Amino acid sequence: AQTVTQSQPEMSVQEAETVTLSCTYDTSESDYYLFWYKQPPSRQMILVIRQEAYKQQNATENRFSVNFQKAAKSFSLKISDSQLGDAAMYFCAYRTTGANSKLTFGKGITLSVRP
Amino acid sequence: ETGVTQSPTHLIKTRGQQVTLRCSSQSGHNTVSWYQQALGQGPQFIFQYYREEENGRGNFPPRFSGLQFPNYSSELNVNALELDDSALYLCASSFSGRVEDTQYFGPGTRLTVL
Repeated sequence: AQTVTQSQPEMSVQEAETVTLSCTYDTSESDYYLFWYKQPPSRQMILVIRQEAYKQQNATENRFSVNFQKAAKSFSLKISDSQLGDAAMYFCAYRTTGANSKLTFGKGITLSVRP
Repeated sequence: ETGVTQSPTHLIKTRGQQVTLRCSSQSGHNTVSWYQQALGQGPQFIFQYYREEENGRGNFPPRFSGLQFPNYSSELNVNALELDDSALYLCASSFSGRVEDTQYFGPGTRLTVL
């Protein structure tokens, strides 16, 4: 069974600084998808970034980028120029490439942004 | 494009009662997945519906059941509620059948069982 581990329960960053959130996963599959979702206090789970395992190039979305290390089964999220609105819970998630596949989530990390 | 919506926002029930939660999928999506998120935890997969049939189920008992309708909206039903069923219930929709089938979430229903 696939598992996703987020070992840091909380992190804090100064506004305008850079922060990296860690995630590791375990799978025997060779092709899969990885995601970072953001959940602010409003509870809506918002997709931040997606990475296909077959792509060697790390995904980027504006201030958000990932460091995908397939051999190490590591998938970290880097947030540059942190903003107050980035404060939220962040979840790392895994999905196989099969049709209609479920998401497996980590326990999440609470990110606070200091003004 | 209409996003995923869920109703109600909050719900309070007592142990042993039954509850129905509703989800409208994003326009153009044909698959709905349901997740249970306990306080301070990551979401756990309950089940998924595609073409009005259950298409995958997580480790949840049969008292958790669902439906998908021809317009792709969905219901989650929970019978014989237990205190541990208190959680945020999230619905996610996606389009199965193309490479880009990312799941997009609704705002959730907060269920409290007393």
